[in-house]
Amino acid sequence: GAVVSQHPSRVICKSGTSVKIECRSLDFQATTMFWYRQFPKQSLMLMATSNEGSKATYEQGVEKDKFLINHASLTLSTLTVTSAHPEDSSFYICSANGRTGGHYGGYTFGSGTRLTVV
Amino acid sequence: GENVEQHPSTLSVQEGDSAVIKCTYSDSASNYFPWYKQELGKGPQLIIDIRSNVGEKKDQRIAVTLNKTAKHFSLHITETQPEDSAVYFCAARFDSGGGADGLTFGKGTHLIIQP
Repeated sequence: GAVVSQHPSRVICKSGTSVKIECRSLDFQATTMFWYRQFPKQSLMLMATSNEGSKATYEQGVEKDKFLINHASLTLSTLTVTSAHPEDSSFYICSANGRTGGHYGGYTFGSGTRLTVV
Repeated sequence: GENVEQHPSTLSVQEGDSAVIKCTYSDSASNYFPWYKQELGKGPQLIIDIRSNVGEKKDQRIAVTLNKTAKHFSLHITETQPEDSAVYFCAARFDSGGGADGLTFGKGTHLIIQP
């Protein structure tokens, strides 16, 4: 089945630095990549949606200059948390949606990245 | 936008018994309803999904039912086993007609299977 590889699984960074998270679709073309954030014991909240080759669309309340999303190819999307602060500590998860024969398929999730900002 | 309510937040059942988790959604234009299982520190894993043109779907011990009129859908797990213990999320996709749309998730149900 479809697989999305997400790296790193865990990262600890100092406050003020930037962190990049990568998601790769291994056996399909991810026309759309979704980025979610999940705080402890809470649900997944959609942060942004990116289509290959286009600028990402951010959900209300998500700072686009802080969470930079790049989706330059059909198999790779990155999320960069810029000038990270402790309140950005969270579990970040990507989800890819591929298109086959004109129909959108299901959503394949990455394994998540636990970001801790100290 | 879409709003998904999920109940209960915690569910404890004896091994071998059935578990039912219920969700409601707000937007009648939603057309896809997946259920995910999430274990601690991992990403969500799809366990079953249903589209709006179907009322019920079953896969071995897992089934999902959808009532479009009432805008609710439920997950049924029969003959529960210890490895079913996890957090389960329902989700709904609102079809904007413009392409792939993101999912709106319920708050999750912590399912505990008592041996």
